[in-house]
Amino acid sequence: GENVEQHPSTLSVQEGDSAVIKCTYSDSASNYFPWYKQELGKGPQLIIDIRSNVGEKKDQRIAVTLNKTAKHFSLHITETQPEDSAVYFCAAMGSSGDKLTFGTGTRLAVRP
Amino acid sequence: GAVVSQHPSWVICKSGTSVKIECRSLDFQATTMFWYRQFPKQSLMLMATSNEGSKATYEQGVEKDKFLINHASLTLSTLTVTSAHPEDSSFYICSATGVDNQPQHFGDGTRLSIL
Repeated sequence: GENVEQHPSTLSVQEGDSAVIKCTYSDSASNYFPWYKQELGKGPQLIIDIRSNVGEKKDQRIAVTLNKTAKHFSLHITETQPEDSAVYFCAAMGSSGDKLTFGTGTRLAVRP
Repeated sequence: GAVVSQHPSWVICKSGTSVKIECRSLDFQATTMFWYRQFPKQSLMLMATSNEGSKATYEQGVEKDKFLINHASLTLSTLTVTSAHPEDSSFYICSATGVDNQPQHFGDGTRLSIL
C-alpha cells in the first residue's frame, strides 16, 4: 500500500518568513495530493490540493509543488502569520482511487 | 465550500455504554464517507470506508462488531461504538466526498471519553 513520509515534524518560523513542509510517497500510481491544516480540537481543513498532471499550484500565500519522478511534494507558505500556526498534514491518494494516506504531520509555530 | 457536520463534538459516558456519532454532508451528496481515529499528537488512522447503501469496508485491525457504521443516505453516516471501554477513548473524525472522490471534506471531530 501507499506510504507517506512527512518532514519536519516541528517547524518554528518568525512571522513574515516562509515555511516549507516536504512529503514523499511510495506508490507511483498516486495521482492526488491534498494538504490539510488542523487546529487544536478541530477536524482537518483542506487548504490546497494538486493532481498529478500539474507540477505547481498556488493560492495566495500558499503553494504546492509536485515532482512525480522523485515522488515528492511540498507545501510552501509565504509571509507567515501567527494564525498559520497549526498542524499540517500531507496526504496521497493511491491506486485504490478512494482512500487517502496521511503523513505524520508537521506542527508549525509562527512567532510574532 | 463543502460542509461536513459532525455531532456530538464531545461525549463522556460510562464504560459499557454504546455511543453514536453522526456525520452529515450539508451541501453536497456524499457518495463515500470515511471514519478516522486520531490519538493525541498523531496522524489520522482510517478505520473504515462506507458507500451509501452498502456495507462499510473496514481497515485491517478494526473490529467491525465494535465500530458499527451505517450509511443509509447520501447525506448521513453514523458510527456507533458498542460497549465502549476506556481504551476506546479517542478523537473520531469523519470525512465525505462526492462522486469523484476528491477532495475529502472533514467534520470537526468527536472527542469521546469513556470513564
